[in-house]
Amino acid sequence: DGGITQSPKYLFRKEGQNVTLSCEQNLNHDAMYWYRQDPGQGLRLIYYSQIVNDFQKGDIAEGYSVSREKKESFPLTVTSAQKNPTAFYLCASTLTSGRAGEQFFGPGTRLTVL
Amino acid sequence: AQSVAQPEDQVNVAEGNPLTVKCTYSVSGNPYLFWYVQYPNRGLQFLLKYITGDNLVKGSYGFEAEFNKSQTSFHLKKPSALVSDSALYFCAVTYTGGFKTIFGAGTRLFVKA
Repeated sequence: DGGITQSPKYLFRKEGQNVTLSCEQNLNHDAMYWYRQDPGQGLRLIYYSQIVNDFQKGDIAEGYSVSREKKESFPLTVTSAQKNPTAFYLCASTLTSGRAGEQFFGPGTRLTVL
Repeated sequence: AQSVAQPEDQVNVAEGNPLTVKCTYSVSGNPYLFWYVQYPNRGLQFLLKYITGDNLVKGSYGFEAEFNKSQTSFHLKKPSALVSDSALYFCAVTYTGGFKTIFGAGTRLFVKA
């Protein structure tokens, strides 16, 4: 089956720890995105990547980092600098970076800071 | 500033009745408009999109949406609601010269049996 996978489904982090969320797609899509979802706020863009080895900051990139070493993979690291990391994190991809394409979403990772 | 508004946090409908979930936008240039649905603890699923052409767009699960340029709206509709339609619905837009997609805050739809 083609699609996007995210792991883990649930993640617990202690204060001061960095954690990495995995996102993998086998759709052969060029563009990939990370969003953060908080209740009542919709989706906010953290980082996006249009091609391998290139990525740009979104609207709320502070405290987060990404890499795009392979077309299929776009991991997100939540660093200790992110002051309020508890949220639902969604990874998405589109075939190209053009604005007409719909996004395909993974099932999400729920991060909780203890 | 580019924005998308979903004026209703929640919509309640009886099963079998028509439903409407509202969306308005404010973007420069020509908008590309999308509707997505999210079930609890899941990712978003694409329902339909308007790019160009016929203002009435038909999508998955019997949903449709009408693009109204003069009112800058893209309301989601379904003639007969099902209990299984209960979910969180997001309107989204991309715009000329922009790469990012802007999402509305979401509208929670409750369909009562």
